[in-house]
This record gives sequence, structure tokens and C-alpha cells, in this order.
Amino acid sequence: DAMVIQNPRYQVTQFGKPVTLSCSQTLNHNVMYWYQQKSSQAPKLLFHYYDKDFNNEADTPDNFQSRRPNTSFCFLDIRSPGLGDAAMYLCATSRDRAGGTGEQFFGPGTRLTVL
Amino acid sequence: QQQVKQSPQSLIVQKGGISIINCAYENTAFDYFPWYQQFPGKGPALLIAIRPDVSEKKEGRFTISFNKSAKQFSLHIMDSQPGDSATYFCAASETNFGNEKLTFGTGTRLTIIP
Repeated sequence: DAMVIQNPRYQVTQFGKPVTLSCSQTLNHNVMYWYQQKSSQAPKLLFHYYDKDFNNEADTPDNFQSRRPNTSFCFLDIRSPGLGDAAMYLCATSRDRAGGTGEQFFGPGTRLTVL
Repeated sequence: QQQVKQSPQSLIVQKGGISIINCAYENTAFDYFPWYQQFPGKGPALLIAIRPDVSEKKEGRFTISFNKSAKQFSLHIMDSQPGDSATYFCAASETNFGNEKLTFGTGTRLTIIP
């Protein structure tokens, strides 16, 4: 089945220790998104890629970086995690941009704990 | 102007009853309105979506009602079941403007009691 896969599902890191979360997709979608979702809140968009075109949200901290080496994979790097970065991180994809259905397909998420 | 306001924050409905969640938006450029269902520990999954050229869309027990002039849309879950207990997010995006960023509502935690 075509899907969005996130690894690991649970990640524990120490305060200030860099961490990388990964996302892969078999949907061959052009657009990939990273969201942060804290408990009982809506997902908050951090950035998205349209192909290799990177789009950062204005309020995304510099501590968060992303890489998309190819269509299938996208990484979220947190350079110096703070306690406030503990959250569920969701990867999503969509097929296209203009004129698309707008549907986003979400992965299961990575739960990040910062000690 | 980019906000989507969602209510109620939480909802408890008896099994077999109708669950109703409401959303309102201000950006008239929004042209795609999905509802996502999220179970604890899982990513959101698309439940049903509507475009502003229709006033209602029904899929099984789930119906979206859309009021373009009032800039409001709502999700109705008929014959609510315990398995429907989840958090529901409405969202909106401007697909025709080359911007597929979803603006999410704040979420409604739905609990169906036997």
C-alpha cells in the first residue's frame, strides 16, 4: 500500500542533543510537509517542500531545519532540542500544488521526548 | 484572516445520537475544506472534504454542510458510535492559488458514550 512512513515512532533525546526524524513516502507526491503537534493542539506547520523548493513558515525557529535529498525522503533536524520541543512531529504529503485536490496524507508521527 | 475557528472544544454524545462540530473562516480565498479525524497516538486522516460549489456532501454517516455566504461549515456524524470517539479537526486551504497549506481549526475532542 502507498503510504507515508515515519521513523522512529518514538524518540527520546537529551536537552541540547541534536536529533533527526525521518519521513519517507511511496505516493510519489511532489509536496512534503512537517508539522509539530503538541498535546490537545492542532498541527502547526513548520515548513514544506514543493519538489526541492523549500518553504519555511515565518514563525518556525531556526533550531528546526529540513532536508529533502530526493522525492521519497524528507528529514527534520532539531539542532538543539529544548524542553518546549517535546511534541508529536507529523510528516504529510500532497500530490500537487495549484489545482490539486489539496488532500494531505499524514504519517503516523514521531513522538519526541526531551529529557 | 487566516484563522479557522472551531467549536466546541469537546463534545459528549450518546451512542446513536448526532454529533455536530462547527467551523468558521474569514479568508474568502479558501476553496477546499477537509475534515480530519485523529485517534490518540496516530496522525490525522482525511475523513471527508468539500469545495464551495456545493452546499452539502455526504459519505456514509458523515455529512459536511457548507454555507458560503456565512463562511461556515460543519460536520454532522449521524448514528454516532463509540468507534467515532476521536479528535476532529476542520481545515481550509487555497488550492487554486498554488498554496496547499492547510489552516487547521483548534480541534474537537468527541466522546461517544454507550
